Amino acid sequence: SQQGEEDPQALSIQEGENATMNCSYKTSINNLQWYRQNSGRGLVHLILIRSNEREKHSGRLRVTLDTSKKSSSLLITASRAADTASYFCATDMNTGFQKLVFGTGTRLLVSP
Amino acid sequence: DSGVTQTPKHLITATGQRVTLRCSPRSGDLSVYWYQQSLDQGLQFLIQYYNGEERAKGNILERFSAQQFPDLHSELNLSSLELGDSALYFCASSVASQGRGGELFFGEGSRLTVL
Repeated sequence: SQQGEEDPQALSIQEGENATMNCSYKTSINNLQWYRQNSGRGLVHLILIRSNEREKHSGRLRVTLDTSKKSSSLLITASRAADTASYFCATDMNTGFQKLVFGTGTRLLVSP
Repeated sequence: DSGVTQTPKHLITATGQRVTLRCSPRSGDLSVYWYQQSLDQGLQFLIQYYNGEERAKGNILERFSAQQFPDLHSELNLSSLELGDSALYFCASSVASQGRGGELFFGEGSRLTVL
């Protein structure tokens, strides 16, 4: 079963706009990670936020984490056509050894 | 290039057959993970190995098995294949040890088609 559920399932925006994706999860976590996947390719790590952190930035990416609500959001600012991809959140559950469970993903389409 | 190598990239086989997927992790990574990605099930965690030992198990069918060898490469064996086993199978590696979660580095996947 999926630990994370992402919302929306699909998002279509114009270049230059911001894109926000949300992730909700069910159990306590060590950290939450966001990955990007271009169609049919391997996933690429974007950013990791630990359970004791509330916000993290990396370039045009901003991630927030609310452990009380068991939710996270990924904001991509000033989107580019090259940002078109699927984005997944992954939760590292508090089980000792790392076990990343991925959400259902958001398909982002950025039109020129 | 993530540094994780998976072979074969594509595989077409028939129902009832057995296949082996191979993964070489990034140099220095001790953990190997296997994931299955299909349209209807999303990205499912199958199994994790750390330095040759099984550490975590997910939704892995009894028809599937995996191992990690002393040189740290891993193999995923899929037997008695069914149409529903058609999917992308990803291997990922990390330096993760107990209590130190970090990012995973994914290979490009092995696309299995069962006819």
